[in-house]
Amino acid sequence: KAGVTQTPRYLIKTRGQQVTLSCSPISGHRSVSWYQQTPGQGLQFLFEYFSETQRNKGNFPGRFSGRQFSNSRSEMNVSTLELGDSALYLCASSLGGGTAETQYFGPGTRLLVL
Amino acid sequence: GQQVMQIPQYQHVQEGEDFTTYCNSSTTLSNIQWYKQRPGGHPVFLIQLVKSGEVKKQKRLTFQFGEAKKNSSLHITATQTTDVGTYFCACKETSGSRLTFGEGTQLTVNP
Repeated sequence: KAGVTQTPRYLIKTRGQQVTLSCSPISGHRSVSWYQQTPGQGLQFLFEYFSETQRNKGNFPGRFSGRQFSNSRSEMNVSTLELGDSALYLCASSLGGGTAETQYFGPGTRLLVL
Repeated sequence: GQQVMQIPQYQHVQEGEDFTTYCNSSTTLSNIQWYKQRPGGHPVFLIQLVKSGEVKKQKRLTFQFGEAKKNSSLHITATQTTDVGTYFCACKETSGSRLTFGEGTQLTVNP
């Protein structure tokens, strides 16, 4: 099976712009979670989507939003970018049906905000 | 909300030395997972622990879940340069539905 794919892999934006990141989960996986990773901050949970519905949400401002399509692919949008949004954005997919599931991570999108 | 603490944040060892990282949760867990992220890579699942007091081994790696299901440890015997990376625990509360990751322990191994 193909793994989790994320596009683009690298992105440079300027403050105030918006960005959309894409994630394609492993075939058959219905849950997609998004994480922000910055040096020294570990993995900060953004949100989780399951069957096109947001199932969980982390403590990020409303500038961060997401959605999931019927084929389980997910997109994450960040509006009005700030310098502090520079980070590695990881998505992870899982089957989505249970409460103790392995997360399969994609390679991430590295976002730099200038 | 749930607090997850991992210690130490950084660990430098000589090749052949042992290494241990600890993960502590403020709440009781239903399960805990461990992930490894190599430099420049993404987190990769290592193992999941579910039962109180559970111990699992993967070659030189030993994972343990505390009796109270609020803490866990990962021990590597005789480290090798291939063990370099950041090790994360990911905790799932008994009352919650998502994983909370610790901040990770970054391991460097000097040859």
